[in-house]
Amino acid sequence: DTGVSQDPRHKITKRGQNVTFRCDPISEHNRLYWYRQTLGQGPEFLTYFQNEAQLEKSRLLSDRFSAERPKGSFSTLEIQRTEQGDSAMYLCASSAIPGNTEAFFGQGTRLTVV
Amino acid sequence: AQSVSQHNHHVILSEAASLELGCNYSYGGTVNLFWYVQYPGQHLQLLLKYFSGDPLVKGIKGFEAEFIKSKFSFNLRKPSVQWSDTAEYFCAVSPLRGSYIPTFGRGTSLIVHP
Repeated sequence: DTGVSQDPRHKITKRGQNVTFRCDPISEHNRLYWYRQTLGQGPEFLTYFQNEAQLEKSRLLSDRFSAERPKGSFSTLEIQRTEQGDSAMYLCASSAIPGNTEAFFGQGTRLTVV
Repeated sequence: AQSVSQHNHHVILSEAASLELGCNYSYGGTVNLFWYVQYPGQHLQLLLKYFSGDPLVKGIKGFEAEFIKSKFSFNLRKPSVQWSDTAEYFCAVSPLRGSYIPTFGRGTSLIVHP
């Protein structure tokens, strides 16, 4: 499968714990996006990378959220000191160099904070 | 920043009925427009896209959408829905300047009764 891959698919964690999600984009895609989706809402943009550079991170929900894409390939999203309000689906998408191109989404990681 | 408004949050139809889902966006510049679909338990998939040219675009599974620039609208249509069209539908807009980040509407839940 050469699509966008996310791991894990599901994560249950206790409040206060740290979690890390991984995203492997389509291999030739330069752009990688992270979104969050809650029930009854559309994907909400969090951050994005162009190659290894994180070009926008002001929309990360708090300073507990951070993302990396160290070699311009896979990316990780970390949430520190999780809270119940962090429970959501976290989506990763990738696209080719921006212009007339669409984003391709992974299956998402569903986080439940108990 | 751009925003996307989807007017219908929940739509229930019988098979063979016609479908039209509204989408309006706010952005002063040129945009790319998308409709994505999310079938139960699956990831977001591209249904159709508009980049330029003919404002009436056709997508997969008999869907089409019309871009009306003067109304900032990109409504999705299908003349005859099937039970298998039951899904969440998301309209998205990506500006063709600056960050190119796709922004999504909150989605429309479509249920088609057999």
